[in-house]
Amino acid sequence: QVQLQESGPGLVKPSETLSLTCSVSGASISDYYWTWIRQPAGKGLEWIGRIYSSGDTRYNPSLHSRVTMSVDVFNKQVSLRLTSVTAADTAIYYCARGLGSTWDHNWFDPWGQGTLVTVSS
Amino acid sequence: ETVLTQSPATLSLSPGESATLSCRASQSVDRYLAWYQQKPGQPPRLLIYEASNRATGIPARFSGSGSGTDFTLTISSLEPEDSAVYYCQQRRNWPPLTFGGGTKVEIK
Repeated sequence: QVQLQESGPGLVKPSETLSLTCSVSGASISDYYWTWIRQPAGKGLEWIGRIYSSGDTRYNPSLHSRVTMSVDVFNKQVSLRLTSVTAADTAIYYCARGLGSTWDHNWFDPWGQGTLVTVSS
Repeated sequence: ETVLTQSPATLSLSPGESATLSCRASQSVDRYLAWYQQKPGQPPRLLIYEASNRATGIPARFSGSGSGTDFTLTISSLEPEDSAVYYCQQRRNWPPLTFGGGTKVEIK
């Protein structure tokens, strides 16, 4: 059974870089798409972007200039970097796997439990 | 960007009743729409994809329908554990992939 676990600093200062890692267990990271989604407290879901195991990426245009995703197939980890953060970036950050590896890769199942990142000085 | 508008914002029903949740897209998404359930403190869980396909392990009381711009999630015979926020999501017009604002289902 595949499991995803997000990790990283819970507190980031304004203007600095948010860095998170999603560790995958129970399955190979290869041949799947991996997505980051965030959710401000009490609010809805925002798609940040996705990366294929080959390294191919697609980002949300609203965040494109600040986002970088990477994948480490050997260590079964997917990473997210978001630069120049502000309070508006405070949210729970989730990683999720695409349901499948073809037409269905933009449906998300399973998800990690999420990690709360607060941007504050 | 395709905007998804969900209604109503909140639905309060009794166990055994049926819930009808709506998701309207600002432009056609064909049948490329999914529904997720999110309980407090938990990540979302995929219920329905491609408008009407139930995900693995999802009870048959959850069903989806619709195409184009209007979609419905129906929960028949509500159970207490169905209390949650439900989100729709489209994959037709991206990036970005977009989600609706959610409908909260309360069980009386």
